[in-house]
Amino acid sequence: EAGVTQFPSHSVIEKGQTVTLRCDPISGHDNLYWYRRVMGKEIKFLLHFVKESKQDESGMPNNRFLAERTGGTYSTLKVQPAELEDSGVYFCASSQDSGVYNEQFFGPGTRLTVL
Amino acid sequence: AQSVTQLGSHVSVSEGALVLLRCNYSSSVPPYLFWYVQYPNQGLQLLLKYTSAATLVKGINGFEAEFKKSETSFHLTKPSAHMSDAAEYFCAVRSGGYQKVTFGTGTKLQVIP
Repeated sequence: EAGVTQFPSHSVIEKGQTVTLRCDPISGHDNLYWYRRVMGKEIKFLLHFVKESKQDESGMPNNRFLAERTGGTYSTLKVQPAELEDSGVYFCASSQDSGVYNEQFFGPGTRLTVL
Repeated sequence: AQSVTQLGSHVSVSEGALVLLRCNYSSSVPPYLFWYVQYPNQGLQLLLKYTSAATLVKGINGFEAEFKKSETSFHLTKPSAHMSDAAEYFCAVRSGGYQKVTFGTGTKLQVIP
């Protein structure tokens, strides 16, 4: 069974440009999460989808970030316009259901560098 | 509110020595605690989790962790370090109705031959 995949693995852009990150969850997983790790700091929650609906977006830093999950399958996270402080590693995770015991499976992350 | 504190951003041990990675948590309700590991160029992998069934939790690759409510701790241990254990380890907590996982800042483990 394929795990969570993320694309691209690395992205280097200039300040002011737009970048779109993609996450493909494990097949059949209704729950999809985005997290971010800024250099040297903790991994922080961004948002949670249940199917195509945003269940919790309390971690989204500002309105330059837009997450979508059309059709309840893959998800995209767009940053527009990117700022220097957006640099970091963006992780996606998925889980089968929403129970608190439920394990979230993480992808390898996308390393974003904003110059 | 929930939070996690990991003591030591870098830990070095000799191969064959005891591994001890420290984690303290804060949670207003009974927590669910996790340890994740990230090997170079890979995603986060669940090592083990505490879900109130037993205070001593055994995970993969010989790791275990003990939940101590009185100390609000969930330290990760392994009796004998192996070179392949070199990675970054994250303690994490999930509590109440929260779906989101709150992570510590991570501890990089170096294993010296």
